[in-house]
Amino acid sequence: DAKTTQPTSMDCAEGRAANLPCNHSTISGNEYVYWYRQIHSQGPQYIIHGLKNNETNEMASLIITEDRKSSTLILPHATLRDTAVYYCIVLHGSSNTGKLIFGQGTTLQVKP
Amino acid sequence: NAGVTQTPKFRILKIGQSMTLQCAQDMNHNYMYWYRQDPGMGLKLIYYSVGAGITDKGEVPNGYNVSRSTTEDFPLRLELAAPSQTSVYFCASSFDRGRGYEQYFGPGTRLTVT
Repeated sequence: DAKTTQPTSMDCAEGRAANLPCNHSTISGNEYVYWYRQIHSQGPQYIIHGLKNNETNEMASLIITEDRKSSTLILPHATLRDTAVYYCIVLHGSSNTGKLIFGQGTTLQVKP
Repeated sequence: NAGVTQTPKFRILKIGQSMTLQCAQDMNHNYMYWYRQDPGMGLKLIYYSVGAGITDKGEVPNGYNVSRSTTEDFPLRLELAAPSQTSVYFCASSFDRGRGYEQYFGPGTRLTVT
């Protein structure tokens, strides 16, 4: 599975959009991009995933560049409860195991 | 649905003791996983299972054993506990590839080995 690179930390003002970037320049055609987050001391929580088209759900939007070498997770109106570590993970679509390889993630601090 | 449940929430072990961390899910997921998370680090996969009777090693399996006799349960056994096994342990489950690999995580077990 392709490796991902994320900034170590980011700040965002409450009520503003939080844009979290992820670089996955070695991604292959059949690999999906998954996003999870971990609020302090809790188990990780699934947010969204996509292959090549942009995706949106009730939590967030996922924008994947046309060459698929990077993506951005967008939290449209960040709240204090969105303060968490956000993980970008690449997973092969033909995987028979669904194993996730977690990196260090981005610590997002939402400030009042 | 209760989702993924883990017991105990906290445990302190002495070096050399053994214990079993329990994990259960009621979502009829085929796939289950055990992760550990050391302070300030990301999660590391210990073992996983793609169905009852089938288990395989992850990134950091040494010092642990698992079994999967039912779809619902996936216990993790620590034999001869060592201080290096002090960590937070998370269990997770997911559907198979056909329905996407969204993983659901339990609340974790915080283990200290002294």
